[in-house]
Amino acid sequence: EAQVTQNPRYLITVTGKKLTVTCSQNMNHEYMSWYRQDPGLGLRQIYYSMNVEVTDKGDVPEGYKVSRKEKRNFPLILESPSPNQTSLYFCASSGGGRSQETQYFGPGTRLLVL
Amino acid sequence: AQSVTQLDSHVSVSEGTPVLLRCNYSSSYSPSLFWYVQHPNKGLQLLLKYTSAATLVKGINGFEAEFKKSETSFHLTKPSAHMSDAAEYFCVVSDLGGSYIPTFGRGTSLIVHP
Repeated sequence: EAQVTQNPRYLITVTGKKLTVTCSQNMNHEYMSWYRQDPGLGLRQIYYSMNVEVTDKGDVPEGYKVSRKEKRNFPLILESPSPNQTSLYFCASSGGGRSQETQYFGPGTRLLVL
Repeated sequence: AQSVTQLDSHVSVSEGTPVLLRCNYSSSYSPSLFWYVQHPNKGLQLLLKYTSAATLVKGINGFEAEFKKSETSFHLTKPSAHMSDAAEYFCVVSDLGGSYIPTFGRGTSLIVHP
């Protein structure tokens, strides 16, 4: 089944404790991205990647890191989480290497930073 | 530059009545436009997309949208609402002029009354 998976689905952590949210897709898509969703703000893109070893900042990259060492995986790293990073996070992928294609979303990771 | 405005944060309808969710966009280039749906505690799923072919786009579950360049609108409609349509709907614009960052609207919550 074609899908985007994220882990963990729920995470509670404390300020400053590094964490990684994994994202994997099995559709051989070039384009992958991370979003955060906050009430009343819709989804805002954090980082995107057009292919392996090619990443770039989205609209809200501060406090986040990503890497793209393999085509299928695109982990999101919070080196020193802060309470304002409490949010619902989505990973997405699409073919074609651009954002104009249909994006396929993971189920989301709900993060609470205390 | 691109932007998208969803004109209603909440829309309430009765089951069996028509649905209209409004979206206006701004784009410097030929845009790709999408509607995604998010059911509670789920990821986002594509309803339909416009990519410069037919201006009337049909999607899943009986939804359709019409691209009107003169009005810079891409409103989502459905002739008859079903209880299962209750969800959050997002209008998205992605510029073909080079931006790799799609812009999401803030979302419209569709409430369906029995």
